[in-house]
Amino acid sequence: KNEVEQSPQNLTAQEGEFITINCSYSVGISALHWLQQHPGGGIVSLFMLSSGKKKHGRLIATINIQEKHSSLHITASHPRDSAVYICAVSNTGNQFYFGTGTSLTVIP
Amino acid sequence: EPEVTQTPSHQVTQMGQEVILRCVPISNHLYFYWYRQILGQKVEFLVSFYNNEISEKSEIFDDQFSVERPDGSNFTLKIRSTKLEDSAMYFCASSERHSLYNEQFFGPGTRLTVL
Repeated sequence: KNEVEQSPQNLTAQEGEFITINCSYSVGISALHWLQQHPGGGIVSLFMLSSGKKKHGRLIATINIQEKHSSLHITASHPRDSAVYICAVSNTGNQFYFGTGTSLTVIP
Repeated sequence: EPEVTQTPSHQVTQMGQEVILRCVPISNHLYFYWYRQILGQKVEFLVSFYNNEISEKSEIFDDQFSVERPDGSNFTLKIRSTKLEDSAMYFCASSERHSLYNEQFFGPGTRLTVL
């Protein structure tokens, strides 16, 4: 069973497009994390949120606790945004559940 | 900028051998984590560690695995008798506070290959 589901699994966009990646979860959580995994394998934390909305530059993350759903938006996408975006949820015990990731390719 | 480091970057071992993967978390961080990612699969949580003890572990983290903070700077993951299916990328991460309040910082990973 997958406690965390992401969609789409793969996404190709033209440079400049607005991108949305969705995450739904079934476990009770305390925080949701959006991570970026580069082609070389390295992982970078983008956001940690437990309610509402956060914005860093061209990235926006939202969460709806009642609906158990989060979205990651990228505005004015660029080829350097090409990566795998991973949603993960944590509980109060610091146990983590990961989604399978969304592979994003932004074409110039 | 402070970063999490991991050594070695690639470890090749024979099945049944013990391996120790090493991580140096960011110096003022108090929470430490190990994850693994089998090639082509999703990242999986192994264990979280705080105040010199395990705070949470997954089903994957069985008696073959152990973690230690031997000297106040290193954070190690030991696999006692490696199996073929232990081949994966292992990521260490640390955070200043509990994941409720803080993002994690990930190391570059150690690729473990069990032959």
